[in-house]
Amino acid sequence: DQQVKQNSPSLSVQEGRISILNCDYTNSMFDYFLWYKKYPAEGPTFLISISSIKDKNEDGRFTVFLNKSAKHLSLHIVPSQPGDSAVYFCAASARFQEGAQKLVFGQGTRLTINP
Amino acid sequence: DAGITQSPRHKVTETGTPVTLRCHQTENHRYMYWYRQDPGHGLRLIHYSYGVKDTDKGEVSDGYSVSRSKTEDFLLTLESATSSQTSVYFCAITQGRSTDTQYFGPGTRLTVL
Repeated sequence: DQQVKQNSPSLSVQEGRISILNCDYTNSMFDYFLWYKKYPAEGPTFLISISSIKDKNEDGRFTVFLNKSAKHLSLHIVPSQPGDSAVYFCAASARFQEGAQKLVFGQGTRLTINP
Repeated sequence: DAGITQSPRHKVTETGTPVTLRCHQTENHRYMYWYRQDPGHGLRLIHYSYGVKDTDKGEVSDGYSVSRSKTEDFLLTLESATSSQTSVYFCAITQGRSTDTQYFGPGTRLTVL
């Protein structure tokens, strides 16, 4: 049962244009959502997050949108740069009883920015 | 940089041998996590710890055990490695706030022949 899905395994975008990465989730208990970026042979690095009480969060070139009724979030990158080429994971957060964070990840989308 | 190191960074072993991976953190974080990353699956939680000697199972815990005898170290052990445990393993930490961000280590690539 895949609770968090990224339906596009790959995405190719021209440099300077907008990149839009999508993520769907099924569990209404998730209250916090995160995007991570991963380069080969490195650990995932945190990019941006959004609480379930908001519908938009911006940080420089990165904006995350949350549509709770549709259980959908998206990451917009404007303008796209060659250094943005990486695998992007969305993750949805809930809580274990002891206070630890339960993160459920999507399968990832490989973004390639073409010059 | 969340002060997380993992060792070894690469390991090749044979089926049936025991393997222990180490995660070390320097910033006194309470919560620590072990994940595996496989193509088509994203990252999946193996085990997590909510304090010294306090651990619990995640989504894919079969064949793995963990130990945390001190705050800074979280060990993942494969008692008898199998080829299905060939993967990249990541350790992560959080502080326990309501809007936590998990920060990840650099990973260990494990190959079981």
